[in-house]
Amino acid sequence: GIQVEQSPPDLILQEGANSTLRCNFSDSVNNLQWFHQNPWGQLINLFYIPSGTKQNGRLSATTVATERYSLLYISSSQTTDSGVYFCAANPLRGSQGNLIFGKGTKLSVKP
Amino acid sequence: DVKVTQSSRYLVKRTGEKVFLECVQDMDHENMFWYRQDPGLGLRLIYFSYDVKMKEKGDIPEGYSVSREKKERFSLILESASTNQTSMYLCASWVAQGREQYFGPGTRLTVT
Repeated sequence: GIQVEQSPPDLILQEGANSTLRCNFSDSVNNLQWFHQNPWGQLINLFYIPSGTKQNGRLSATTVATERYSLLYISSSQTTDSGVYFCAANPLRGSQGNLIFGKGTKLSVKP
Repeated sequence: DVKVTQSSRYLVKRTGEKVFLECVQDMDHENMFWYRQDPGLGLRLIYFSYDVKMKEKGDIPEGYSVSREKKERFSLILESASTNQTSMYLCASWVAQGREQYFGPGTRLTVT
């Protein structure tokens, strides 16, 4: 089945710094989502982005479907951005809509 | 806004007990999913349902069953809880291809 790999696994930033998180996927996808898992465990939807570029405030994401990767950009990071960021994909072939998750990037933003 | 709720944020049960985890969505979505999340293993699909009374096994269904009697409610059942079922359980809801999935707040289950 499809493999979803995220990098880096851990990232420590100073408040105000910018960062780029990467997600590689091994097969064509119907759906590509980015989530932020808060300290209480809830997955917060950031982007639904099977292709193209989207922006929401200090966050933006780009998916290049033909090259099978997606990037999440965080600008001017804040301590509240800390947490784990997940990329998840729904494969084009052989699935019923369930998402395959990467292992996540754990982001720590220091004041 | 889509809202997915789960019956408990934290739950502690004893080995051998029957455990029910409830998930409710308010957006008339056909598809609902149960995942579990474990350190080092990520999120894994337990069961999903694409319609009332319909269910399909995911990647790790052993030890679990599900029930979907109404469209808005999807229940995960641990018939006889075991310590290796201590985990974070996340429910998701989804309308169709081309749309995003939404997750509930999660239930942290501890089996002692």
